[in-house]
Formats: sequence, C-alpha cells, structure tokens
Amino acid sequence: GDSVTQMEGPVTLSEEAFLTINCTYTATGYPSLFWYVQYPGEGLQLLLKATKADDKGSNKGFEATYRKETTSFHLEKGSVQVSDSAVYFCALSDLGSNTGKLIFGQGTTLQVKP
Amino acid sequence: DTGVSQNPRHKITKRGQNVTFRCDPISEHNRLYWYRQTLGQGPEFLTYFQNEAQLEKSRLLSDRFSAERPKGSFSTLEIQRTEQGDSAMYLCASSFTTGRNNEQYFGPGTRLTVT
Repeated sequence: GDSVTQMEGPVTLSEEAFLTINCTYTATGYPSLFWYVQYPGEGLQLLLKATKADDKGSNKGFEATYRKETTSFHLEKGSVQVSDSAVYFCALSDLGSNTGKLIFGQGTTLQVKP
Repeated sequence: DTGVSQNPRHKITKRGQNVTFRCDPISEHNRLYWYRQTLGQGPEFLTYFQNEAQLEKSRLLSDRFSAERPKGSFSTLEIQRTEQGDSAMYLCASSFTTGRNNEQYFGPGTRLTVT
C-alpha cells in the first residue's frame, strides 16, 4: 500500500540555519502531498501542499517541491527561527480510496536553538 | 469559524470501561475523518464520513470501536471495553474540498489514557 517515509529526528539547528527535512513516498498513482506541523500542545496545522508533479508549495518561508521522478517532497527553509521548533509530518492523500484519507510519515522533530 | 473542536481534551479511564469522544467539524465541511496517533508516530486513519454516511473503516477499527455522525454534523467515537493498547491521541479532521485539493483541518485531539 501507499506509504510515507521521513528522515528520523530530532533535527537540532541553530537559529538562522538552513533546514531540510527529507520525505519520500510510495504510491500507486500520483497523490497530492502535504506537510503538516504540530507545535507543542497544539493540533496539526496544514503548512503547505502540492497537488501535481513539479508543483512547489510554500508558506511562512517553508517550501517543498513535488518530485515525481524521485518520489520526494522535501521540506526546506532558508533561515529557521526558534519559533519553528515543532514536529513536522509529511503526508499523502490516498486518491485511490475516494475518501482522500491522509497517510502520514512518522514525523520529524525540529529543535531550533537561539 | 472557530475551527474543529474536540471534547474532552483528556480522558483517563480504567481498563474495561467505555469512553465516548465528540468532534465538532467546521460547519460547512461535509467530510469528517478520525485518526489515531500514538507517541512518536504519525496519525493513522480510522474512519471517514461523508455527510452522515460512514464510507470507510480501517482494519485498525476493531469491533470495540464505533463511530457515528448523525445528521451529518458532529461525530462521536466510542470505544467499548477499553484496553491499555487504546491509549493514544484521537484526532478528528474535516474538509470540504474534494479530489486533489482535499485540505483537512484538524482538531486539538482527545488524549486517552487507559490505566
């Protein structure tokens, strides 16, 4: 079945460092791809999405490009802040089931130190 | 629009007891999802409603679990005869769009602890 694999964390960076969190997926079709973020004590929030190959999703300085050839959707940010500390989840939308249910990776914890 | 709300936020129960959680989706959203998240893992799909119809259930949803969405508004998830393995965060999400633009909005979750 469809699946998502993320790089293991925690990822620890200094403020203003460059961030990459790797995400690869396995799917029978061409799903939509999402990044969700979970701040401490809060619910999941949609960070960005891409619905087809070569689309770039972006929000709050984060971006990710849907790469069909490498089945990847890596999350990047040029300069992280302490407030970016959170758990980041990569997900795909299972279009084959007609429900649009999401299949998530295991999450990557980001810690940004001042 | 206040977003997706879930109640209670925390529930501690003894093994063997029944528990019920409630989810109130964003008012115009006709799609509603339940997920379960255990510590250190991503959420896993449990069940899906379109309006009042329950259209898909995961194999994770044993016979002890039941979900309803009367009148296509709020939803409840009941767990009967709880087990320690049921301890997890139960998340509800809703959406309106379909197909590739199906953006799901999540509630804060209900954390269940079974002692």
